[in-house]
Amino acid sequence: QLQLQESGPGLVKPSETLSLTCTVSDGSISSSNYYWGWIRQPPGKGLEWIGSIYYSGSTYYNPSLKSRVTISVDTSKNHFSLKLTSVTAADTAVYYCARHQIYYVVQGAPPIPIYMDVWGKGTTVTVSS
Amino acid sequence: EIVLTQSPGTLSLSPGERGTLSCRASQSVSSSYLAWYQQKPGQAPRLLIYGASSRATGIPDRFSGSGSGTDFTLTISSLEPEDSAVYYCQHYGNSPRTFGQGTKLEIK
Repeated sequence: QLQLQESGPGLVKPSETLSLTCTVSDGSISSSNYYWGWIRQPPGKGLEWIGSIYYSGSTYYNPSLKSRVTISVDTSKNHFSLKLTSVTAADTAVYYCARHQIYYVVQGAPPIPIYMDVWGKGTTVTVSS
Repeated sequence: EIVLTQSPGTLSLSPGERGTLSCRASQSVSSSYLAWYQQKPGQAPRLLIYGASSRATGIPDRFSGSGSGTDFTLTISSLEPEDSAVYYCQHYGNSPRTFGQGTKLEIK
């Protein structure tokens, strides 16, 4: 059964870059059937979609974070990564990675990511000096 | 950006009762691209419903989704103690994918 595991530093200093990796087990990140995404949840608050990536490298980003976010995929290591620059205390959150199902809106065009059906357990990142 | 507003904020019901959770969108959600997730404390969200009304794999049939356009509902027909959780709706019709603020369901 597919599993996702987030990893990375639990503490990041303000103004620095947050870097996380999501490793996919018992499945291939190179599958053309899925997108892979990042979602975060500040303490005691709701969920925020950060962005998603296809095995080919095509990405969708939340416009509110787009200027600071980069999501990349490494098919040789079967993982994908998140970088968030210039972090502040407002970026303190549990960060989840997840698998998206996809949908072809127009036949022959690239698919889009839709709902998320498999999630990692999440990793807590605190931004503090 | 589509804003999803969930109501009520908190719902307190007894086992065996019917739970009805609402999700209202600020504009029409195309093709019923609406999902529901359940999140228990300290756990990741779990997909319950996609496409507004399709149950995800392994989800008990006491969970059902309905609605279209701007108004969607998650119904739990007969509550069990393990249904105590926060429930989120999410649209995925365009970018950004957004979530509602959540409804906390308490089982008395």
